[in-house]
Amino acid sequence: EAGVAQSPRYKIIEKRQSVAFWCNPISGHATLYWYQQILGQGPKLLIQFQNNGVVDDSQLPKDRFSAERLKGVDSTLKIQPAKLEDSAVYLCASRRTGGDGYTFGSGTRLTVV
Amino acid sequence: AQSVTQLDSQVPVFEEAPVELRCNYSSSVSVYLFWYVQYPNQGLQLLLKYLSGSTLVKGINGFEAEFNKSQTSFHLRKPSVHISDTAEYFCAVREETSGSRLTFGEGTQLTVNP
Repeated sequence: EAGVAQSPRYKIIEKRQSVAFWCNPISGHATLYWYQQILGQGPKLLIQFQNNGVVDDSQLPKDRFSAERLKGVDSTLKIQPAKLEDSAVYLCASRRTGGDGYTFGSGTRLTVV
Repeated sequence: AQSVTQLDSQVPVFEEAPVELRCNYSSSVSVYLFWYVQYPNQGLQLLLKYLSGSTLVKGINGFEAEFNKSQTSFHLRKPSVHISDTAEYFCAVREETSGSRLTFGEGTQLTVNP
């Protein structure tokens, strides 16, 4: 089966600009996660979707971050405006309902200058 | 809320030596435990997981881990490492009763030297 697709792979923007990341999960996986991985740290959950509904966004900085999964398939994560501390790898993962396997994409590396 | 502590941020070893990467977790309920590996500029790949049953879990690439409930640990081991095992390793926990979110440790950089 195809893996979790993410784009772009790399993005460099200036602070205060906006940026969007895209994720296409494995077909049939109802649960989708966005994680932020700052250099030298473990991934931290930003938001979890079940189909097109938000299950957990308690750690999402809602003043600047937003995410959607309108049709319950692919998802976009947006940052507006970006800050220097947003420099990180943004990982998308998906999981089928009732499954124990989480499949991660290769991530988008964001550099804010 | 659950948390994960990886006790070593960096572990250098020589090729063909054994290695143990340590992981301790904290949770008030039953948990599932995972080890992931991350090669440079890549996503996370599952090495192994403990869900229930035997506390000794075997994974890919010759790795194994042992779940110790009394010590709340899930240490990763390999009897003989290769240069290709050089990577970042993450321990993760998921509580049975609080949805499906994974909480990760800070990672351990394993460097295998010739």
